[in-house]
Amino acid sequence: GEDVEQSLFLSVREGDSSVINCTYTDSSSTYLYWYKQEPGAGLQLLTYIFSNMDMKQDQRLTVLLNKKDKHLSLRIADTQTGDSAIYFCAEITSGGYNKLIFGAGTRLAVHP
Amino acid sequence: DAGITQSPRYKITETGRQVTLMCHQTWSHSYMFWYRQDLGHGLRLIYYSAAADITDKGEVPDGYVVSRSKTENFPLTLESATRSQTSVYFCASSDSTRTTEDFGPGTRLLVL
Repeated sequence: GEDVEQSLFLSVREGDSSVINCTYTDSSSTYLYWYKQEPGAGLQLLTYIFSNMDMKQDQRLTVLLNKKDKHLSLRIADTQTGDSAIYFCAEITSGGYNKLIFGAGTRLAVHP
Repeated sequence: DAGITQSPRYKITETGRQVTLMCHQTWSHSYMFWYRQDLGHGLRLIYYSAAADITDKGEVPDGYVVSRSKTENFPLTLESATRSQTSVYFCASSDSTRTTEDFGPGTRLLVL
């Protein structure tokens, strides 16, 4: 079946790098996504990666994709207090209308 | 304003009452979605629509009804609200390429 798994919580010190990990099950996923949700807000698309890519970098964000292990990670360099949020990994499944499957979210806490 | 809006943002109702949550998008996206967000479950798809007058069930459709008479609107109705429907509801939209989904700010619903 389709499933996306993430660890639920990560705590980092301000200025350090954060790495949020995700595993997925649908090997035919065409795109994989990272969304950010700040307290009381909706989901904001941070970045996404096409399945034929291994890495994508966008300013402080680096996405790594290991298709063999079905593993996706999001690295945030120089983590700031404003990065404190819940981060959702999601995959888009093949077939039909290509539904988006979300993980349960990883809560990132940044402390001084 | 351009984008996707939801109303109301907060709603308190009682068990057995009918409640309608509104969603409006200005991009003329063909696809629209309703998700609910509950602790430990991430986002789960309730219903989606591929175009006006075309709707289909998602993962958790029971107790909900949708309609889509116009491309820009996708209301979600709880015909007889139950406490288990207390949740945060997100509307999203996507163009026909299905590359990304854009989310609204959410409606926080409490059923007493």
